[in-house]
Amino acid sequence: DAKTTQPTSMDCAEGRAANLPCNHSTISGNEYVYWYRQIHSQGPQYIIHGLKNNETNEMASLIITEDRKSSTLILPHATLRDTAVYYCIVRVGGNTPLVFGKGTRLSVIA
Amino acid sequence: GAVVSQHPSRVICKSGTSVKIECRSLDFQATTMFWYRQFPKKSLMLMATSNEGSKATYEQGVEKDKFLINHASLTLSTLTVTSAHPEDSSFYICSAVGLAGRSEQYFGPGTRLTVT
Repeated sequence: DAKTTQPTSMDCAEGRAANLPCNHSTISGNEYVYWYRQIHSQGPQYIIHGLKNNETNEMASLIITEDRKSSTLILPHATLRDTAVYYCIVRVGGNTPLVFGKGTRLSVIA
Repeated sequence: GAVVSQHPSRVICKSGTSVKIECRSLDFQATTMFWYRQFPKKSLMLMATSNEGSKATYEQGVEKDKFLINHASLTLSTLTVTSAHPEDSSFYICSAVGLAGRSEQYFGPGTRLTVT
């Protein structure tokens, strides 16, 4: 079973920041927070992951609360191509599989 | 990011026949590959874990004799759907984890299977 809770759907205006929340109140100390997205009829795409520090890459920023019970994925300037289902997943890492929940369907609107 | 390919991207087969789907890691060696299935408007469901040179580990409810998995090399895993039925029609996706301590999983583009 997925160990995260995400809103079912969100809308975001093109060019604005998209902030996608995720609750993972039962996260263990050795579990990372991973974010993936899936554009319609494609395989999931890795976005970012972190353990406890905030992380940033060319795609997004990941903000993890100090107690690690929740996190927020930030797409700084959303475009129409960012319309997708975004999955927040907690995972130990290594060779363990990703277990997908229902994710958040983000619609970027022109 | 690392590249994972799948072949074919789409396949249509008749009931009772078998279909093989290939998953390749193109620019890295994958010690472990995973196979997922996704029905329309649903999330990905893990089917099995495939480790190079050993038998696959199947999730509860997944028939190992129906979904044959072979991980013959560090860059190739295959999923064979045997005696396919219309209810096996789905989107099959593989992912791979690399050798060098990297923990990200990289996904293939998926294979759309339609059984008529």
